[in-house]
Amino acid sequence: DQQVKQNSPSLSVQEGRISILNCDYTNSMFDYFLWYKKYPAEGPTFLISISSIKDKNEDGRFTVFLNKSAKHLSLHIVPSQPGDSAVYFCAAQPTTDKLIFGTGTRLQVFP
Amino acid sequence: DTGVSQDPRHKITKRGQNVTFRCDPISEHNRLYWYRQTLGQGPEFLTYFQNEAQLEKSRLLSDRFSAERPKGSFSTLEIQRTEQGDSAMYLCASSFGGVNEQFFGPGTRLTVL
Repeated sequence: DQQVKQNSPSLSVQEGRISILNCDYTNSMFDYFLWYKKYPAEGPTFLISISSIKDKNEDGRFTVFLNKSAKHLSLHIVPSQPGDSAVYFCAAQPTTDKLIFGTGTRLQVFP
Repeated sequence: DTGVSQDPRHKITKRGQNVTFRCDPISEHNRLYWYRQTLGQGPEFLTYFQNEAQLEKSRLLSDRFSAERPKGSFSTLEIQRTEQGDSAMYLCASSFGGVNEQFFGPGTRLTVL
């Protein structure tokens, strides 16, 4: 069973606009959520995270929103830049141990 | 460079051979994780260590897989009698206990012919 779902396999956004990447989860016991960015032939790079006790966390151009009642989180990137083009993974953690990843969304930012 | 390192970066082997991968975590991190990623999927958890103790193993980790972290520093992942279905990217990550964020190495891409 897929506990973390990213239903959009790809997203294309113009440079300077907002990118919104979505993630849904099924397990209400998840305690922490993280977003990772991955370039080809590299390991995932940590971007931003949020605790289940919060509904928003912001770091520069990146903001993560958490809606616990809907079991939904989203990553907003404003403004989008060509260097943001990568695969983005949402991950959930039940406690401070393993990560459970979604299948990823490929973001392409075009000029 | 003080990030997570993995060796080798690429490994091509024939079915039935044994392979071993190494991971060196960030030096002050006491937790070390192994994940596997196949095409079109997110990384899947395999196992993790706190210091030298292996605390959890996924049901994905068949008897042909074994992982060690003998001195609580680097770790090795061995796959015996490789099968074509073992072809994947094997990722290592580390963290400091009590901190949620995990930091990944570049991965070892295994191809089983």
